[in-house]
Amino acid sequence: GAVVSQHPSRVICKSGTSVKIECRSLDFQATTMFWYRQFPKQSLMLMATSNEGSKATYEQGVEKDKFLINHASLTLSTLTVTSAHPEDSSFYICSARGQAGYGYTFGSGTRLTVV
Amino acid sequence: GESVGLHLPTLSVQEGDNSIINCAYSNSASDYFIWYKQESGKGPQFIIDIRSNMDKRQGKRVTVLLNKTVKHLSLQIAATQPGDSAVYFCAEKSGAQKLVFGQGTRLTINP
Repeated sequence: GAVVSQHPSRVICKSGTSVKIECRSLDFQATTMFWYRQFPKQSLMLMATSNEGSKATYEQGVEKDKFLINHASLTLSTLTVTSAHPEDSSFYICSARGQAGYGYTFGSGTRLTVV
Repeated sequence: GESVGLHLPTLSVQEGDNSIINCAYSNSASDYFIWYKQESGKGPQFIIDIRSNMDKRQGKRVTVLLNKTVKHLSLQIAATQPGDSAVYFCAEKSGAQKLVFGQGTRLTINP
């Protein structure tokens, strides 16, 4: 079945630094990737949608200059949290979708802690 | 954006009983729905899906019911087991691509 690999699983960074999270589709071509953020005991909130080779589309209220998304290939998307602050601490999850069918495959998530 | 102070609804069932988890969705134009299971610290795991041209779909020990009239989705889990303990989310495909998640329900199993 479709597999999405997300790294790192956990990261701790200092306030003001940037962190990059990678999301790779291992056995299919991901024409579209999605990035979600999940705070404790809450649902997944969609941050942005990216199509390969195009600029990401951000949801209302998500700062595109703070959350940089790159989807330069059909198997890799990255989310960079720039100038991270403690309030950016959260669980970030990617999802990938291929050309055929409706399937959405999720990564295992990244726990970001900003200290 | 961030929501403050929300707590997940909780459903407690006895091991071996059937569980029914409900979800209200928002967009009457949504044409595809998915139920996910999420264990602590992990990404969502696909359980079952249904398209809007159906009102019922069955899998192994799970059944999804869709009522488009009242925009309601339910997940039934038969003979609930300890391994079913998790948070369950419904999600709707809104527009061409976006998958929007519902609030979620925490299922706990009593021995």
